[in-house]
Amino acid sequence: AQSVAQPEDQVNVAEGNPLTVKCTYSVSGNPYLFWYVQYPNRGLQFLLKYITGDNLVKGSYGFEAEFNKSQTSFHLKKPSALVSDSALYFCAVRALNSGNTPLVFGKGTRLSVIA
Amino acid sequence: DGGITQSPKYLFRKEGQNVTLSCEQNLNHDAMYWYRQDPGQGLRLIYYSQIVNDFQKGDIAEGYSVSREKKESFPLTVTSAQKNPTAFYLCASTPHTRPGDYGYTFGSGTRLTVV
Repeated sequence: AQSVAQPEDQVNVAEGNPLTVKCTYSVSGNPYLFWYVQYPNRGLQFLLKYITGDNLVKGSYGFEAEFNKSQTSFHLKKPSALVSDSALYFCAVRALNSGNTPLVFGKGTRLSVIA
Repeated sequence: DGGITQSPKYLFRKEGQNVTLSCEQNLNHDAMYWYRQDPGQGLRLIYYSQIVNDFQKGDIAEGYSVSREKKESFPLTVTSAQKNPTAFYLCASTPHTRPGDYGYTFGSGTRLTVV
């Protein structure tokens, strides 16, 4: 079975400070990992993904995520937060060799960046 | 521009009424998905389809039905058997040719409210 945990419902950070949104996963074998962002009343937008290779993945809008196999984590990071980063963030996972089975999503973390 | 179109954006359903949510894509994607989003519960999979005229139940299929008569279209019907249908519904798609390499492209969602 595949699962994703986002342990924080809400993350608050001051503008200009670094931000981290946490994600841990559980799959059989190697994972595909994704981060998506959702603005109010909109669909999810792709931020970045990890498949293989470098453990540090760079994505859209200055975000990056670090894959840590030993800790089964894929935390989302940004060096300097912007007020416009305030949104709902979802981590998702799928096992590498699971064909086209659906992604499993975490419950989401609401990021609030305060000016 | 290629993308996924969900309609309507807002939908109101009376008790005992069936309603159908539209999802159309012009991305030539093989696989399509329906998710339900409730506050604090993340995205839960309702149904998915990897090929025309075939679909599979997700985690919360009860009270919902789908069809996939055309590659471009994957409508979702919320039946009167769904006792708590008020939610935000998201449609997504992904290419099937390289399973797992791609994340999803999402539509902008339909907000369904029971009145």
